[in-house]
Amino acid sequence: AQSVTQPDIHITVSEGASLELRCNYSYGATPYLFWYVQSPGQGLQLLLKYFSGDTLVQGIKGFEAEFKRSQSSFNLRKPSVHWSDAAEYFCAVGGVSGTYKYIFGTGTRLKVLA
Amino acid sequence: DTGVSQDPRHKITKRGQNVTFRCDPISEHNRLYWYRQTLGQGPEFLTYFQNEAQLEKSRLLSDRFSAERPKGSFSTLEIQRTEQGDSAMYLCASSRLASQANEQFFGPGTRLTVL
Repeated sequence: AQSVTQPDIHITVSEGASLELRCNYSYGATPYLFWYVQSPGQGLQLLLKYFSGDTLVQGIKGFEAEFKRSQSSFNLRKPSVHWSDAAEYFCAVGGVSGTYKYIFGTGTRLKVLA
Repeated sequence: DTGVSQDPRHKITKRGQNVTFRCDPISEHNRLYWYRQTLGQGPEFLTYFQNEAQLEKSRLLSDRFSAERPKGSFSTLEIQRTEQGDSAMYLCASSRLASQANEQFFGPGTRLTVL
């Protein structure tokens, strides 16, 4: 079945530490890939996206993600986390089977320690 | 762009009542989407429109749910005879027809609580 997996439900890091959030997808072809961030009670803000070309993509707020076809992964990274990064992060895929909908992972909640 | 707007932001209702939510997409965005997000989960697709045509509906969209986009601009999502299981955040998104990767822009959501 087609799916998006975010294996880490919660992650806690200290401010200034590096961060990596994992995302794996299960589809036959390479879909469009997205990372969104959601603060409590808010909508989703796009951090970055991948659809072709360079497999390392840069996003807003100092985030980057790397697409690895061999691993069906699209992990999100940040070299130095700020307290304001505490939020929930969602990986999503689009463009699957000719549909325009997104399929989201279950999210990773990030906690940042001062 | 003024962004996607949703109204109301919060709605509390009693079980069995009908509720209607409104979404105003970014102007000139042809596609409009509705998603539902329950606590601790990622958003799940409900339905989408291209202009005024509803082109795809999820199996999550039971008979009690109906969505419209009569003039290809704003959209409404109505839930009839609400149940406690309908409590969730309802998110609307829009995208341009010719956008790369069909990038969707999300609104702030409407949080529904069914008592």
